[in-house]
Amino acid sequence: AIRMTQSPSSFSASTGDGITINCRASQAISSYVAWYQQKPGRAPNLLIYGASTLQSGVPSRFSGSGSGTEFTLTIVSLQSEDFATYYCQQYSSYPITFGQGTRLEIE
Amino acid sequence: EVYLVESGGGLVQPGGSLRLSCAASGFSLSNYWMSWVRQAPGKGPEWVANIRQDGNEKHYVDSVEGRFTISRDNAENSLYLQMISLRAEDTAVYYCARERLVGATDFDYWGQGTLVTVSS
Repeated sequence: AIRMTQSPSSFSASTGDGITINCRASQAISSYVAWYQQKPGRAPNLLIYGASTLQSGVPSRFSGSGSGTEFTLTIVSLQSEDFATYYCQQYSSYPITFGQGTRLEIE
Repeated sequence: EVYLVESGGGLVQPGGSLRLSCAASGFSLSNYWMSWVRQAPGKGPEWVANIRQDGNEKHYVDSVEGRFTISRDNAENSLYLQMISLRAEDTAVYYCARERLVGATDFDYWGQGTLVTVSS
């Protein structure tokens, strides 16, 4: 199975800050990466697919980049509603796998 | 509006069985691959299984192969997950999720989840 490793595992920031979350795949997966936001007690919410395509309705302060084995999720000008846990996911091959998550906390 | 509503979770003893259901509305289930994804307490999501639109192709994560069976009834707009020989490590919230594209892909809609607890 392809392993997805996220860094950092947690991060503290303030509203208005920008952050970058990294995700490394254990083997090359082209651009078959998605990013999700999850808030406590809720299902994950799709933010980005194809490594860089913004899902409909997602604010433009979110962006994704990367290909091969290295991927990033960037959020500029953090808003209060952005403090949540973020997961990357690969869909290059079965089994579909997720990263372990990055918890974004208010500083 | 797309809705996915899971049901059937609960407390079950190790070795027991459970059948989860997912009722879909707001779209035609027959047009989409569907998946089950679970999330153990405090952990990241784990994809469990998926099924093709016609039900004739299915994939499973190794840890549930032979114990879980995914199925669907397009006429009833419903997805199912039959689980047998349940283990403590199967304890999780189980989500049904719609696949955005054909085959292995990302998930654009998720249900609210149903909790399965395997414990004696």
